[in-house]
Amino acid sequence: QVQLVQSGSELRKPGASVKFSCKASGYTFTSYVMNWVRQAPGQGLEWMGWINTHTGKPTYAQDFTGRFVFTLDTSVSTAYVQISSLKTDDTAVYYCARGRDSTGWDALDNWGQGTLVTVSS
Amino acid sequence: QSALTQPASVSGSPGQSINISCTGTSGDVGTYNFVSWYQQHPGKVPKLIIFEAIKRPSGISSRFSGSKSGNTASLTISGLQAEDEGDYYCSSYAGSGISVFGGGTKVTVL
Repeated sequence: QVQLVQSGSELRKPGASVKFSCKASGYTFTSYVMNWVRQAPGQGLEWMGWINTHTGKPTYAQDFTGRFVFTLDTSVSTAYVQISSLKTDDTAVYYCARGRDSTGWDALDNWGQGTLVTVSS
Repeated sequence: QSALTQPASVSGSPGQSINISCTGTSGDVGTYNFVSWYQQHPGKVPKLIIFEAIKRPSGISSRFSGSKSGNTASLTISGLQAEDEGDYYCSSYAGSGISVFGGGTKVTVL
């Protein structure tokens, strides 16, 4: 069965960086895109962007350009997000979510359990 | 890209049907059938319940149905049950590789 297992919670100070992961299993990793979604405490879902797991090309939502970087290690079927120059507003749960196909257009059919990133001095 | 517009809350009694609207623009919902709906219970991971505007994933109850007309998509929950309480989010592809979520709707079963 499809599984997306994310790395554990992170605590950072403002201005620091963080990198967290999403390990996929149960399917061919490079056949489906991987999306990232942010949810701040008590708030709604924000689509951050996606990465083409075949080519490694990322696409970012407008609010997630500059400080956010999506990468892959296809040898271990894992996607990563690195966030630099962290702000307190970056405090949120970050989800990875598999796209239904390879285009990046379709729905998110399997989700990781989320990684809580807390930014506090 | 602006968020899609959803009502903040919708409520209904057990057994009733409710509708949740999701209004976008001609640049997203109005052009693409890649509209999806997600259910999220408190403290839980979002779950896909409708994709491509009208299709249900395997294992999703037939009480959930989707539709789309013009720039507005809708989710209907029929035979409302206590377990349907939670937050519901729509999402649409908006072209150029970009997708967008709605602000979410809290469903309360009275």
